[in-house]
Amino acid sequence: DTAVSQTPKYLVTQMGNDKSIKCEQNLGHDTMYWYKQDSKKFLKIMFSYNNKELIINETVPNRFSPKSPDKAHLNLHINSLELGDSAVYFCASRELGSYNEQFFGPGTRLTVL
Amino acid sequence: RKEVEQDPGPFNVPEGATVAFNCTYSNSASQSFFWYRQDCRKEPKLLMSVYSSGNEDGRFTAQLNRASQYISLLIRDSKLSDSATYLCVVNPPGGGNKLTFGTGTQLKVEL
Repeated sequence: DTAVSQTPKYLVTQMGNDKSIKCEQNLGHDTMYWYKQDSKKFLKIMFSYNNKELIINETVPNRFSPKSPDKAHLNLHINSLELGDSAVYFCASRELGSYNEQFFGPGTRLTVL
Repeated sequence: RKEVEQDPGPFNVPEGATVAFNCTYSNSASQSFFWYRQDCRKEPKLLMSVYSSGNEDGRFTAQLNRASQYISLLIRDSKLSDSATYLCVVNPPGGGNKLTFGTGTQLKVEL
């Protein structure tokens, strides 16, 4: 069983479009995250939700809007896509606690043309 | 100064070699530390946690030096399958929600 799943795996779209990425975890964790990994491979946190409540928002443009309908799901909606949004987006989940492991989804490779 | 700094590499080593990576962190009150491994076009996965006393898992040894604010990863008897990017990860004070990732060190093990 996949612990953290994301859909779609690949997303190719035109500038200006709106798109969504979905994430689900079946680990029972309270905390979920979205990360962006750019072409230089730097993994940068975007958002974190704890039990459906937004707790980290790392100065991400407001074109990006996360939504957590329940603690097992954290979706990412992106409006008015720009070329610079092209990256791999990873969802992750973790149970709070200093040495608890963070589990990542397989990633969504977004290409904006 | 970056929160977590790593030498990006690549480190090109022959099979069987011993290789070591270091990572420095800026917040002296950081609570916990990890090494994650990321294969090409895959998600990061936990390799090992790094405890104050140092710890070993097979061919991998992790050490923490709080005084100098760095952690290290030693890989003995390198295998081709060890080729990957190794990410240093630091948990801020209080064991909070946010894990800070380094940019990764790329390892290539060659025949």
